[in-house]
Amino acid sequence: QVQLVQSGAEVKKPGSSVKVSCKSSGGTFSRYTISWVRQAPGQGLEWMGGVIPVLGSANYAQKFQGRVTIIADDSTNIAYMEVSSLRSEDTAVYYCASGSPDGFDVWGQGTMVIVSA
Amino acid sequence: QSALTQPASVSGSPGQSITISCTGISSDVGSYNLVSWYLQHPGKVPRLIIYEGSKRPLGVSNRFSGSKSANTASLTISGLQDEDEAEYYCCSYAGNRTWVFGGGTKVTVL
Repeated sequence: QVQLVQSGAEVKKPGSSVKVSCKSSGGTFSRYTISWVRQAPGQGLEWMGGVIPVLGSANYAQKFQGRVTIIADDSTNIAYMEVSSLRSEDTAVYYCASGSPDGFDVWGQGTMVIVSA
Repeated sequence: QSALTQPASVSGSPGQSITISCTGISSDVGSYNLVSWYLQHPGKVPRLIIYEGSKRPLGVSNRFSGSKSANTASLTISGLQDEDEAEYYCCSYAGNRTWVFGGGTKVTVL
């Protein structure tokens, strides 16, 4: 059974960057999509982007193009998501989720990112 | 890439059935039979309850069912129970390895 374990909470200053990791264990990492989904406080889920490790290249929601970078390291079974030029509106819980086009069946525990001066 | 449209809230009494709609456009919900539904209790991680429009993962109650017509997908919860009180999100594949979520629907059990 695939499990996804994410890195711990972060507190960042506006304008800085944050990098969150998502380690996969117990399954085949490279063939499934690893997506990143964020949830601002009291708000809904928002798909940010995803990568299929075996293909390498990531795809992004238009809103996050140019400010978010998603990569996957096949050798360590870890996916990373970096957000640059942080602003207060980026304060959210960030989830990684694994699956295929028909649904995300495995989720990480979430990483809280707080952006505050 | 606009969010899918869901009602903000739906309520029902125990034992009743409720339906949550999820409206997209021809390039997401309308183009693919790849709508999934997630249940999220407060402070918890979202959980997949319906995939590929109408299929249930192992362990998910058969009280949950999904369907689709044109650009609108629906989730029906039958025999409503107290533990069904939660936030529900739809999600559709939108082509080019992108996805879009709905805004979420709060289900209240009266």
